[in-house]
Amino acid sequence: DSGVTQTPKHLITATGQRVTLRCSPRSGDLSVYWYQQSLDQGLQFLIQYYNGEERAKGNILERFSAQQFPDLHSELNLSSLELGDSALYFCASSGPTSYNEQFFGPGTRLTVL
Amino acid sequence: DQQVKQNSPSLSVQEGRISILNCDYTNSMFDYFLWYKKYPAEGPTFLISISSIKDKNEDGRFTVFLNKSAKHLSLHIVPSQPGDSAVYFCAAYHTGNQFYFGTGTSLTVIP
Repeated sequence: DSGVTQTPKHLITATGQRVTLRCSPRSGDLSVYWYQQSLDQGLQFLIQYYNGEERAKGNILERFSAQQFPDLHSELNLSSLELGDSALYFCASSGPTSYNEQFFGPGTRLTVL
Repeated sequence: DQQVKQNSPSLSVQEGRISILNCDYTNSMFDYFLWYKKYPAEGPTFLISISSIKDKNEDGRFTVFLNKSAKHLSLHIVPSQPGDSAVYFCAAYHTGNQFYFGTGTSLTVIP
């Protein structure tokens, strides 16, 4: 158990819809990262937050947005969903003593029908 | 733009033998490299890392080698055990920037 929690575990929705994925980092970790893993693909970095502020941005679509709240949990919002958005979405966290190492949650499997 | 590449999607090894997983990268600015292991239905877990100022780091059965001139790193597992069967991702970053992950290599250790 990495200490990072993600909800929900599975999500099935239709094209055009909007969903919110939630992540709670390890206790004390200030950084939260979001990744997308599509079939046969590596982990694609989407975005990083540090203590509530956006720190780095990767290949995140404009239809996607994220935020980190004062209690440090984070949400990834995916809107106008397309079939190609079906993937595993992982959240990871890191802290001041583990900045070289990220701890991953179990992921949310999103299926867009 | 795949800055970190794992060209072998899968690898099978007999129990007790050495497993060698390879990773290539293109960005000479990377100063830290990591290996993660992933079991089905779980998130990746950190395995071992190496700084760009080193060429080898060892942790028990796991050793990572870095060849900066070739922009290549490898993970050696000796001896391989059935519980090592998983997908292994290599990752790299340079300070202040994002992490880049490879596509993973699925290792099967045959008892």
